[in-house]
Amino acid sequence: QITLKESGPTLVKPTQTLTLTCSFSGFSLNTSGVQVGWIRQPPGQALEWVAFISGNDDKHYGPSLRNRLAITKDTLKNQVVLTMANMDPVDTATYYCAHRAQLSGDWYPFDYWGQGTLVTVSS
Amino acid sequence: DIVMTQSPDSLAVSLGERATINCKSSQNLLYSYNNMNYLAWYQQKPGQPPKLLIYWASIRDSGVPDRFSGSGSGTDFTLTISSLQAEDAAVYYCHQYYTSPLAFGQGTRLEIE
Repeated sequence: QITLKESGPTLVKPTQTLTLTCSFSGFSLNTSGVQVGWIRQPPGQALEWVAFISGNDDKHYGPSLRNRLAITKDTLKNQVVLTMANMDPVDTATYYCAHRAQLSGDWYPFDYWGQGTLVTVSS
Repeated sequence: DIVMTQSPDSLAVSLGERATINCKSSQNLLYSYNNMNYLAWYQQKPGQPPKLLIYWASIRDSGVPDRFSGSGSGTDFTLTISSLQAEDAAVYYCHQYYTSPLAFGQGTRLEIE
């Protein structure tokens, strides 16, 4: 059974760096055919893909956030860490992590999601 | 970058009636290598993460009721709920997973009339 859970601060100040951790179970992030992604959702707004990392350490970032993001994985701890620098109130959102897999050479969409963690940016 | 545009932004449908949500991609999502459309539909209820309903444009995920169906190819896609139930009130998102950067539509809010 695949599960994911996000953790991190609920409140950060403007200009600070946000660090979020996705702890997962039920799969291993040590093969190229698995990804863990981050998706965020400002209150009352749409989903926005943020980043993903593959088991072979391939990393992709959303274009509007690329310069502020870093994503890493710890395969021994079954964790993925997202850092976002220079936080602004517009970054206030629920941040989700999600699982994605490749089967028979074809990538599938995000199928398992964490419950999300609300991060508020305010002084 | 691929942009996903849904229509309408919101709709109200009576119980038992059909609901139709459209999604248009700015680029072709049909991969010629495997003849698959990299388009998914998600349902999101308040306070919950999105739930995968449909992938490959028309394949229902495990456990999804058969009143949900997806259609379309290339750049134009449709999610249809054939006989609306009260529990179908939610926001629905289309999502392209063809290429990075991944993208979601702006969402369609479905209400029960």
